[in-house]
Amino acid sequence: DIVMTQTPLSLSVTPGQPASISCKSSQSLLHSDGRAYLYWYLQRPGQPPQLLIYEVSNRFSGVPDRFTGSGSGTDFTLKISRVEAEDVGVYYCMQGLQPPLTFGGGTKLEIK
Amino acid sequence: EVQLLESGGGLVQPGGSLRLSCAASGATFSTYAMSWVRQAPGKGLEWVSAISGSGSNTYYSDSVKGRFTISRDNSKNTLYLQMNSLRAEDTAVYYCAKDKDTWGQGTLVTVSS
Repeated sequence: DIVMTQTPLSLSVTPGQPASISCKSSQSLLHSDGRAYLYWYLQRPGQPPQLLIYEVSNRFSGVPDRFTGSGSGTDFTLKISRVEAEDVGVYYCMQGLQPPLTFGGGTKLEIK
Repeated sequence: EVQLLESGGGLVQPGGSLRLSCAASGATFSTYAMSWVRQAPGKGLEWVSAISGSGSNTYYSDSVKGRFTISRDNSKNTLYLQMNSLRAEDTAVYYCAKDKDTWGQGTLVTVSS
């Protein structure tokens, strides 16, 4: 199974400041089709997860452009350029390369 | 826009069975893969099972293999998860998800005597 490791476990950010979350996979997520199957989700309190980024760097429909995904191979990053109050919640990365699909442990973002 | 609505959760005794359903609306159901993902109270996300659009291919996590069965009825736009031999550690909110982009609100399964 592919192990996904997220850091940090938690973040406390002042509104308007940037934030960054790292996700590392135990093996490359690059498929033979040339795509890397790495996803980012946000789970707000009491809500189901919602997709932010798919295939490393593509914003899902309706996701603000302050969210940016990057990386390749086994190292990936989610950056929020200017944190807003609505960004509070737990962020998860997930690999979709092969079953079993696996998630990182989550990063809890709080507002200072 | 696709909408997903899970149902069928509840309280069940250890060793018991439950069948979850996920009704989809707003898109051509048979064209996309579906998954079940669960979240134990206060814990992270755990993928449980997936099924291809046609239903011909199914996948399971080791933790549920042999106990859970995923299926779909494309004529009813509905996804199912038959859960047998339930254990306390199966207690979780179960979400259905379309491909990897849209999730339902979840249904709570509690396994307890």
